[in-house]
Amino acid sequence: DAEITQSPRHKITETGRQVTLACHQTWNHNNMFWYRQDLGHGLRLIHYSYGVQDTNKGEVSDGYSVSRSNTEDLPLTLESAASSQTSVYFCASSDQGKTQYFGPGTRLLVL
Amino acid sequence: GNSVTQMEGPVTLSEEAFLTINCTYTATGYPSLFWYVQYPGEGLQLLLKATKADDKGSNKGFEATYRKETTSFHLEKGSVQVSDSAVYFCALSDLTGANNLFFGTGTRLTVIP
Repeated sequence: DAEITQSPRHKITETGRQVTLACHQTWNHNNMFWYRQDLGHGLRLIHYSYGVQDTNKGEVSDGYSVSRSNTEDLPLTLESAASSQTSVYFCASSDQGKTQYFGPGTRLLVL
Repeated sequence: GNSVTQMEGPVTLSEEAFLTINCTYTATGYPSLFWYVQYPGEGLQLLLKATKADDKGSNKGFEATYRKETTSFHLEKGSVQVSDSAVYFCALSDLTGANNLFFGTGTRLTVIP
């Protein structure tokens, strides 16, 4: 069955370190998204991609970057982790104009 | 701009009680509207959606009607079960091709036996 996976599921890191969260989908969807979930804010869009080599900034993109070298993967990189980036991160994918499907999430703690 | 305002939680109900979670939105044009559900420790799952005014989305006993005149998409269920305990998110999609989603803050529902 097609699916969307995220790794790691839990991560503890230190302030200033570079961290990369992986997202992999097997639906062959063109569109992929990264969100962060924080209490009182719901989910907020970090970055998104409409296809290979395409990336776009979302509402809360500062301190994050993404790259899209193939259809299946959209890794999210925190260049220099900050305590304010402690959150739960969700990846999602969709076909053009269709429902978004979400991964199980990565819980990140920055100490 | 696009935004979603959702009923503050948490909500605690007894089994078989009636559920309403309010959701109103602000958007340009006529977006699609969604309810997503997040069970403990899991990602979000689409619960139901409606793509135009007066559409009713329904799934697993939950319903919501797209009301353009009141810009609302309230979630209802006639008789909740313990297994419905979860966080519920209202969302709207913009009109770009990728349908970027804008989420409400979520409402935590706990159903007690």
